[in-house]
Amino acid sequence: EPEVTQTPSHQVTQMGQEVILRCVPISNHLYFYWYRQILGQKVEFLVSFYNNEISEKSEIFDDQFSVERPDGSNFTLKIRSTKLEDSAMYFCARGDYGYTFGSGTRLTVV
Amino acid sequence: SQQGEEDPQALSIQEGENATMNCSYKTSINNLQWYRQNSGRGLVHLILIRSNEREKHSGRLRVTLDTSKKSSSLLITASRAADTASYFCATQGFGNEKLTFGTGTRLTIIP
Repeated sequence: EPEVTQTPSHQVTQMGQEVILRCVPISNHLYFYWYRQILGQKVEFLVSFYNNEISEKSEIFDDQFSVERPDGSNFTLKIRSTKLEDSAMYFCARGDYGYTFGSGTRLTVV
Repeated sequence: SQQGEEDPQALSIQEGENATMNCSYKTSINNLQWYRQNSGRGLVHLILIRSNEREKHSGRLRVTLDTSKKSSSLLITASRAADTASYFCATQGFGNEKLTFGTGTRLTIIP
């Protein structure tokens, strides 16, 4: 199957700015996910998206976060007002059992 | 301990030797998966073992699952330098639930 493509690969942003991370799953899967990994720590679940709706979200996924699938192929994660602690690798994934992960976006908030 | 803890945290072995990593978890699961992550890169799915399976093989990988002990192990046989990476276990509940990842084992293969 085609890969999951994420853009940008690295983004540096000022604290308080909005960022949009993009993912192209390029498939007809119904399930999509966002995970993040703070440097040196565990991979943490953020949100799952099923049939164009949020199906589950973690405590991390507060009002500053939102997800969309604007055009049926792209899948975006928006952070409205970034904080220093949002610095992490963000991964999108598709699948049901045995995910295909994207290569990630490294977000650095300064 | 947290859901999905692995040991050892770091493992260095000589090329050609076997590497064994262990994972423990706390809740009931539908399946357990192992992923590999090269430094700064994405996660690559290696193998999935269902809760009613005890052992599974894929190439040089062998995974075991003991649901009574809530533990799993990943064995990589005849290791190669290219196996150097971090390895994570991840558990999944029922109904396409999210993955819960372990803390990972950083494996270094010495040529």
